[in-house]
Amino acid sequence: AQSVTQLDSHVSVSEGTPVLLRCNYSSSYSPSLFWYVQHPNKGLQLLLKYTSAATLVKGINGFEAEFKKSETSFHLTKPSAHMSDAAEYFCVVSDGDNNNDMRFGAGTRLTVKP
Amino acid sequence: GAGVSQSPRYKVAKRGQDVALRCDPISGHVSLFWYQQALGQGPEFLTYFQNEAQLDKSGLPSDRFFAERPEGSVSTLKIQRTQQEDSAVYLCASSLAPGWVTEQFFGPGTRLTVL
Repeated sequence: AQSVTQLDSHVSVSEGTPVLLRCNYSSSYSPSLFWYVQHPNKGLQLLLKYTSAATLVKGINGFEAEFKKSETSFHLTKPSAHMSDAAEYFCVVSDGDNNNDMRFGAGTRLTVKP
Repeated sequence: GAGVSQSPRYKVAKRGQDVALRCDPISGHVSLFWYQQALGQGPEFLTYFQNEAQLDKSGLPSDRFFAERPEGSVSTLKIQRTQQEDSAVYLCASSLAPGWVTEQFFGPGTRLTVL
């Protein structure tokens, strides 16, 4: 079965500096990978997804992630953090064995300091 | 509506009570998912509907949990004889196509507290 590990439970950056949220996955098949963001009192929102096309995936709000099969990683990055990026971020993996089974990581809380 | 809505947003239940949580998906969406999110954890899959058919209920933690979507639109998650370990946020998501092929749109969740 697939699984995902988010390596940091909490990341704190200053506004205008780069963001790196780390995610490693385990999958028996060719996985699909997603990043979701959860703002307080709002529903989860899809940032981006990888489904075996280009390994560098661009998402909304300036975020991007790179699929690295050799490292089983799918880290989320953004060149310059904005105050509105403060939220909880979830890395998600789904493999071909069960299309309905998406496994979420435990989440990384991003804090952005002024 | 503009998005997925869930009601109530907050529910406090005494241990042993039955609760019903409602999800209104985006109109026309074929797929509907329920997830359970414990405090400090990521969401965990509970069950999946394609229209009115419940195709996967492998994530339901016990037979006290029951979900239905009788007309292929609104869904209800029912928990019987609630226990303290049922305390969590229950998330509903819908998507346009079957399975996970298209983006899942999530509701704000229902926070259930069992005393």
